[in-house]
Amino acid sequence: QVQLVESGGGLVKPGGSLRLSCEASKFTFGDFYMSWIRQAPGKGLEWISYISSGSTMIYYADSVKGRFTISRDNAKNSLFLQLNSLRAEDTAVYYCARVMEDYDSNGHHLFFDYWGQGTLVTVSS
Amino acid sequence: EIVMTQSPATLSVSPGERATLSCRASQSISTNLAWYQQKPGQTPRLLIYGASTRATGFPARFSGSGSGTEFTLIISSLQSEDFAVYYCQQYKDWQWTFGQGTKVELK
Repeated sequence: QVQLVESGGGLVKPGGSLRLSCEASKFTFGDFYMSWIRQAPGKGLEWISYISSGSTMIYYADSVKGRFTISRDNAKNSLFLQLNSLRAEDTAVYYCARVMEDYDSNGHHLFFDYWGQGTLVTVSS
Repeated sequence: EIVMTQSPATLSVSPGERATLSCRASQSISTNLAWYQQKPGQTPRLLIYGASTRATGFPARFSGSGSGTEFTLIISSLQSEDFAVYYCQQYKDWQWTFGQGTKVELK
């Protein structure tokens, strides 16, 4: 069974930084695209970043562009998210998720088939 | 940004009844639509992808349909383990957005 385990969350002051990690196991990590998704307390889901298997394609949601950086180390089966210039509204549980591809007559679909348990980031003074 | 709007926000259903959840996209997304189930205190779980393909582990009482801008998730006969929040999610042009969720609760 695919496993994704996030770590690195915690309490940080506004303007501060944090680095999240996601350790993957039970699948060939380097063959898959990955993403980070967050969920503010009591709120819905927000996709924030994507990275291709070889790190050649990276995308961000507008809400985090220029402040967050996604990266990966395929040799260590790990995904990372560097969070800088943190704001109160960045408070959330951060999930790493595996991106799955599917093709049918309607085209190319990308969705999240496995999720980690999440790590909580709290931005507060 | 493509905005996903789910309705209703809360659906009160009795066990054994049918539940119909709706999801609307602000522009056409073909069938680039997935549904997720999230129970309290748990991680979201993939339920449907490609608008209508059921993910592994979910029974046939769950079905998805739609294309373009209008999508539907039907739970044909609600079981106790189905009470949860359901999110739709679209993918287009390397951007993903989720709906705000529909909470299916016990009537």
